[in-house]
Amino acid sequence: GAVVSQHPSRVICKSGTSVKIECRSLDFQATTMFWYRQFPKQSLMLMATSNEGSKATYEQGVEKDKFLINHASLTLSTLTVTSAHPEDSSFYICSARDAIGRDPQYFGPGTRLTVT
Amino acid sequence: ILNVEQSPQSLHVQEGDSTNFTCSFPSSNFYALHWYRWETAKSPEALFVMTLNGDEKKKGRISATLNTKEGYSYLYIKGSQPEDSATYLCAFSLTGGGNKLTFGTGTQLKVEL
Repeated sequence: GAVVSQHPSRVICKSGTSVKIECRSLDFQATTMFWYRQFPKQSLMLMATSNEGSKATYEQGVEKDKFLINHASLTLSTLTVTSAHPEDSSFYICSARDAIGRDPQYFGPGTRLTVT
Repeated sequence: ILNVEQSPQSLHVQEGDSTNFTCSFPSSNFYALHWYRWETAKSPEALFVMTLNGDEKKKGRISATLNTKEGYSYLYIKGSQPEDSATYLCAFSLTGGGNKLTFGTGTQLKVEL
C-alpha cells in the first residue's frame, strides 16, 4: 500500500517551453502533497506544499509563477515548470500524506528534467 | 536556516558487517525525525518516524534511536546485506511547521560481497 507514482520519469525540453509533471497517489487519498527539488550532491529541498482544492504554499525563493502547482483531486497534483531554462534542470520529486494527515510522507520515484 | 547533518557521506562495508550512521538536527521546537531508504531509480521508502526522546524503533535488521535533547539520531544495520545498499536519508520537522520536512544529504551505503 501507499504507492505514489510520478510521470514522466525523465523529460528533455527546449528552453522556453513548459513541462508538466504529474504526481498520483495510487491507493490512498492525499489531502496534502509536497514538491521537492534536488540539485546534484544536495539534499531534497521543499519547493511547495499542495493542498487539495486550495492554492499551494510556496517556500521562500520559489517563484510561484514559474512553478505552477494544481491539486485538483485527492489523488493528483501537478507541477508545471513554465518557460523552462537550463537552470531549471533538476530532479523533481513529490510526496503525499494520507487524508488524515498521518506521517510518514510517501514519495514518488521522481522526474529528471533536462532543459536544453 | 535549519540544517540537518548526516555522517558519514558514504560508507563501504563487507557483507555481514554491522554499521551505523548519524543524523544531527536542531533540537529546538523538534516535532519528528524521519528515516528513509532510497535505492537508485526507486521511490524513497519510509523506515521510521520517531517523535519521543529516547525512542528506539526496529524493522528487521535495521534499528534507530533518537535523542531530541542533544539533537541526534543513529541508524543501525546489523549483518549488512548487498540489498541494503542505498542512500539513507534523515529529515526532521518542527512543531508548528506544517509537517514540512528538512532533509539531510544522506549517507550512501555500499555493501560488498
